[in-house]
Amino acid sequence: NAGVTQTPKFRILKIGQSMTLQCTQDMNHNYMYWYRQDPGMGLKLIYYSVGAGITDKGEVPNGYNVSRSTTEDFPLRLELAAPSQTSVYFCASGSRELFFGEGSRLTVL
Amino acid sequence: GENVEQHPSTLSVQEGDSAVIKCTYSDSASNYFPWYKQELGKRPQLIIDIRSNVGEKKDQRIAVTLNKTAKHFSLHITETQPEDSAVYFCAAKDYGQNFVFGPGTRLSVLP
Repeated sequence: NAGVTQTPKFRILKIGQSMTLQCTQDMNHNYMYWYRQDPGMGLKLIYYSVGAGITDKGEVPNGYNVSRSTTEDFPLRLELAAPSQTSVYFCASGSRELFFGEGSRLTVL
Repeated sequence: GENVEQHPSTLSVQEGDSAVIKCTYSDSASNYFPWYKQELGKRPQLIIDIRSNVGEKKDQRIAVTLNKTAKHFSLHITETQPEDSAVYFCAAKDYGQNFVFGPGTRLSVLP
């Protein structure tokens, strides 16, 4: 039982590049979330999903897209990366207790 | 939507003393209030939680109290130890099943 797995752990992007952060969970959770955490700050919700085929915007969705084709996977797509997207990204799943992945540290230069 | 405030933003205590972190929330429909601990460079992990039909919950040195009327809840850590040093986040789960987090409290336990 691996829990929530995120890849990659680290990535450096140039301004304007695109990339996908992968997230998969093996706990059969319907609810999945993407958060970003800026240095010294709290967790801001980007997108969430209540089940396969259903996604919705959170507090800071601009510049991101998600999809949820299966219960297990919830990838986060960054289009046209900007320096403001430099952050640590956490994927989480669960409806009561949130289980977090290890995080993906993204730097946009 | 829900808004969660958390105080203080930083807290330093001597080893063995108690630490208290307070949070307020805005949405009276929120019904679940977890606390997460995040060590440096690690993922947040749940340490204790409380539901809206309970006023207090305790787990060894950690306790959480909830005042639904005033819409605030607090984390109490007794007999603090150096390994308690971390950032602590409170959260409120709103009617839409979303978790809204407070900005965090950096706790330092001084030996």
